[in-house]
Amino acid sequence: EPEVTQTPSHQVTQMGQEVILRCVPISNHLYFYWYRQILGQKVEFLVSFYNNEISEKSEIFDDQFSVERPDGSNFTLKIRSTKLEDSAMYFCASSEFVRGTQYFGPGTRLTVT
Amino acid sequence: ILNVEQSPQSLHVQEGDSTNFTCSFPSSNFYALHWYRWETAKSPEALFVMTLNGDEKKKGRISATLNTKEGYSYLYIKGSQPEDSATYLCASPGSGGSYIPTFGRGTSLIVHP
Repeated sequence: EPEVTQTPSHQVTQMGQEVILRCVPISNHLYFYWYRQILGQKVEFLVSFYNNEISEKSEIFDDQFSVERPDGSNFTLKIRSTKLEDSAMYFCASSEFVRGTQYFGPGTRLTVT
Repeated sequence: ILNVEQSPQSLHVQEGDSTNFTCSFPSSNFYALHWYRWETAKSPEALFVMTLNGDEKKKGRISATLNTKEGYSYLYIKGSQPEDSATYLCASPGSGGSYIPTFGRGTSLIVHP
């Protein structure tokens, strides 16, 4: 069964460093998403992406964040200058249709020290 | 931003017990309600997408109902098994031009053998 994959599973970085989190969505899906969950808190929407551009983004998704689909396969989330409060589990998801069922990846745990 | 609430926060039941929990959401401008099952160290797995008032969906021993007028959905598990232990999340996407989904905090279910 097709699934969303994410790499790495765990990333440790120092404050101020740039990180790139990678996702490979399900191949026939057209809509892509990033979410995060800070430990003990709700899952929060970051951004949705369709047709090579951002569809929607939340207030969390400020100028330090960016997304890209560099090669038609990968979908990446870049955080330019990480802060301690960026430590969270980051989930990628994809869906075939807008507002359709989203299929989640296993997540990347980002730890900023 | 929608306010999606789930209760209870956690639930312990014995194997064989039937159980249910609640997701509440604003009833105005309702579009859809998604239920996810999230086992520890795995990806959230889509269970149901519910859109119509009075909808009832079933998947094995798990079923869900939807009341859009009063703004709640129930998830039922009949004859709980230890493998049902997981966090059950609900999420409601926005309406109109926005898709931004709001997640509840989840109900953590532990089924004791």
